[in-house]
Amino acid sequence: GAGVSQSPSNKVTEKGKDVELRCDPISGHTALYWYRQSLGQGLEFLIYFQGNSAPDKSGLPSDRFSAERTGGSVSTLTIQRTQQEDSAVYLCASSPWGLNTEAFFGQGTRLTVV
Amino acid sequence: AQKITQTQPGMFVQEKEAVTLDCTYDTSDQSYGLFWYKQPSSGEMIFLIYQGSYDEQNATEGRYSLNFQKARKSANLVISASQLGDSAMYFCAMREGSWSNYQLIWGAGTKLIIKP
Repeated sequence: GAGVSQSPSNKVTEKGKDVELRCDPISGHTALYWYRQSLGQGLEFLIYFQGNSAPDKSGLPSDRFSAERTGGSVSTLTIQRTQQEDSAVYLCASSPWGLNTEAFFGQGTRLTVV
Repeated sequence: AQKITQTQPGMFVQEKEAVTLDCTYDTSDQSYGLFWYKQPSSGEMIFLIYQGSYDEQNATEGRYSLNFQKARKSANLVISASQLGDSAMYFCAMREGSWSNYQLIWGAGTKLIIKP
């Protein structure tokens, strides 16, 4: 596709359920990032994938969070046993390599845990 | 200490006026990069402009310019001739170290509202 695509755009889930968020980066982009944005806040880094290298998971807030990237393209962020504090917008971005100039962002998934 | 500080949580500006959005940063690295992104209500982050720490001239992209004052550690975004479509959240971000460092540090953002 022409841009970074994220699905679903909105997700309401009950506390304790698992959710999967999907990111389809721009074709050919080797770097992929997940960020979390809470209401009125800046972006919080979650995880970074670069090509076939081991991902940098240092930003994941707990072991309930995990992410994978299959075939160097599509990525899935999974949150297990969701909590109300997980409610936020989850943004995915991709860039051709690292972050020398700019990253291209998707429109995000708004997650609401009730 | 905050690495990126945006002191204006919100701003109202009359259409066609110029706007300056403040950003100050804190780093001990000699090599770093500064970014501005726009986030409209639709949610996506849109890259606006980039300034490298070794760039001698202020970056410009159309109506956007970055007023880079290295000694003051400020990187203010200037929007000339503001338009209604400029209403959005604006985020300043910094990459520390070399260009291969992939992590950005983000400010809390400024909400800009352009009045007709």
